[in-house]
Amino acid sequence: GAVVSQHPSWVICKSGTSVKIECRSLDFQATTMFWYRQFPKQSLMLMATSNEGSKATYEQGVEKDKFLINHASLTLSTLTVTSAHPEDSSFYICSARDFRDSEYYGYTFGSGTRLTVV
Amino acid sequence: GQQLNQSPQSMFIQEGEDVSMNCTSSSIFNTWLWYKQDPGEGPVLLIALYKAGELTSNGRLTAQFGITRKDSFLNISASIPSDVGIYFCAGHRVMSTGNQFYFGTGTSLTVIP
Repeated sequence: GAVVSQHPSWVICKSGTSVKIECRSLDFQATTMFWYRQFPKQSLMLMATSNEGSKATYEQGVEKDKFLINHASLTLSTLTVTSAHPEDSSFYICSARDFRDSEYYGYTFGSGTRLTVV
Repeated sequence: GQQLNQSPQSMFIQEGEDVSMNCTSSSIFNTWLWYKQDPGEGPVLLIALYKAGELTSNGRLTAQFGITRKDSFLNISASIPSDVGIYFCAGHRVMSTGNQFYFGTGTSLTVIP
């Protein structure tokens, strides 16, 4: 089945620095990828949707200049948390769908990235 | 962003009991999905529903896509300890702005042996 690889699985960074998280579809091409953040014991909150070849669409309240999303190719999307602060500490998860399967909407998820800003 | 209302928020049941949880939305979705998430991991797809009224099973799991396309339920029969985890519903639709994919608020399931 479809596999989505997310890297790194965890990262600790200093406040004010930037962190890049990668999301790769390993055995399929993904025209659409989603980025979520999840706080402890809460649901996944959609941050943005990226479609290959166009700019990401951000959800209301998500700062596009702070969370830079680049859908660089059909197999790679990156999320960069710029000038990170402790309140950005969270679990970030990406998901992707195989564009070949137009009837299948079961997006595959990465294993997540635990970001801790100190 | 939009979030789907999921209930109950948590459940504590005895092994062998059946479980039922549901998800509602104020707006229509074209596809409903149910996921399970273990701590520190990404969600794993359990069941996908594509048509209003559809009833689909996957082993001990059964899910239905509501007729109004605004709700869905998931049943787990004869629960076992490994069913422990957090279950999320998710709705997908295609809008003029592109694909939209939102999650429910989650149901935490604890199975007591």
